[in-house]
Amino acid sequence: EIVLTQSPGTLSLSPGERATLSCRASHFVTSDYVAWYHQKPGRAPTLLIYGASYRATGIPARFSGSGSGTDFTLTISRLEPEDFAMYYCQQYGTPPNTFGQGTKLEIK
Amino acid sequence: EVQLSESGGGLVQPGGSLRLSCAASGFSFSDYAMSWVRQAPGKGLEWVSSISPDDGRTFYTDSVKGRFTISRDNSQKTLYLQMKSLRVEDTAVYYCAKRDNNDYYSGRDVFDVWGQGTVVAVSS
Repeated sequence: EIVLTQSPGTLSLSPGERATLSCRASHFVTSDYVAWYHQKPGRAPTLLIYGASYRATGIPARFSGSGSGTDFTLTISRLEPEDFAMYYCQQYGTPPNTFGQGTKLEIK
Repeated sequence: EVQLSESGGGLVQPGGSLRLSCAASGFSFSDYAMSWVRQAPGKGLEWVSSISPDDGRTFYTDSVKGRFTISRDNSQKTLYLQMKSLRVEDTAVYYCAKRDNNDYYSGRDVFDVWGQGTVVAVSS
């Protein structure tokens, strides 16, 4: 199975700053089939990005995804208070679906 | 509004069984593959199992093969997960999740709608 490694483990930033989260795959991800989710404590995950760069319905434009092959990035252009949460990448190009271990985005 | 609502979690001893249910509403349930994703306490997300919309094809992560069975009742808009021979390491919040599109299903999932989760605790 494809192993996803997210970095950094924790990212400490202030509202208004730019966040860059990385997701590296152990093998090539077919068709750039990578999704990103965020999750707040005690809540279910929310889909942000699919197909590496397509925003899900209702997701603000400050969220963007990029990358291909084995290296993928989620960028949040200007952090809002509600953006501080856990972020997970997921690959669905080669079954089984696998998730990264997560990046915690915390307020500095 | 598209909604998923899980039930059936609880405390069970190692070796025991539980059946989880997920009631769906607000979309054409029979058109979409459905999945279970779990999250152990303080840990990340782990895909567990998926089922195709209408031809019964099922997919499992290796650690639950032979112990868990996913099924669905399209007439009742309900997804199930029968769990047997439960282990301490199965302790987690179990989420029901909907695939984001109804193209031909081959085990590849983007999860666009999630339930609130149900807690399964396996302990003696």
